[in-house]
Amino acid sequence: EADIYQTPRYLVIGTGKKITLECSQTMGHDKMYWYQQDPGMELHLIHYSYGVNSTEKGDLSSESTVSRIRTEHFPLTLESARPSHTSQYLCASAPGGTGYNYGYTFGSGTRLTVV
Amino acid sequence: GDSVTQMEGPVTLSEEAFLTINCTYTATGYPSLFWYVQYPGEGLQLLLKATKADDKGSNKGFEATYRKETTSFHLEKGSVQVSDSAVYFCALGLRAQKLVFGQGTRLTINP
Repeated sequence: EADIYQTPRYLVIGTGKKITLECSQTMGHDKMYWYQQDPGMELHLIHYSYGVNSTEKGDLSSESTVSRIRTEHFPLTLESARPSHTSQYLCASAPGGTGYNYGYTFGSGTRLTVV
Repeated sequence: GDSVTQMEGPVTLSEEAFLTINCTYTATGYPSLFWYVQYPGEGLQLLLKATKADDKGSNKGFEATYRKETTSFHLEKGSVQVSDSAVYFCALGLRAQKLVFGQGTRLTINP
């Protein structure tokens, strides 16, 4: 079944640690996105990719980085975690193309807590 | 610019009540419109969508009609259940697969 997977679901980690949040999709979608969701629920786009070797920063400045070496995989890395990085991180994907908008498919999210 | 404004929450209703969550948008061109739902501890799930004016999207008893004249896409359900408690996001779908989300409305249904 086509889907989008995020791991881990929950992560508690100490300040200064390097972490990678994984996101994979089996739908062959060209476009992938990372959102940070604050406790007030609002979604903030932090990174997106329109295909392999293409990555862009989103609307909200983030200290994280992303890579897109394979179509199906879009990991997010924090080199040195801080308590201010505590948040819910959501990954999403969408088909390519410039026409009709199909909407996004979201993963279940990773809830990160930095202590 | 392109934007979505949702009814501010939280919204609290009793079971079997009628639900309306308002959503209005500002956009150039001919956007698609979406409602997403987020249950506690989960990601967003597509609830329904409409791609052109006067289209009605529907799913799980929820409905929304794309009203170009009022630039609105209000979400309605005739009789809500406790299991409908969640956060609801209205979204504007632009070309090149860009989505613009509203700020979300938290809905709580009491038995």
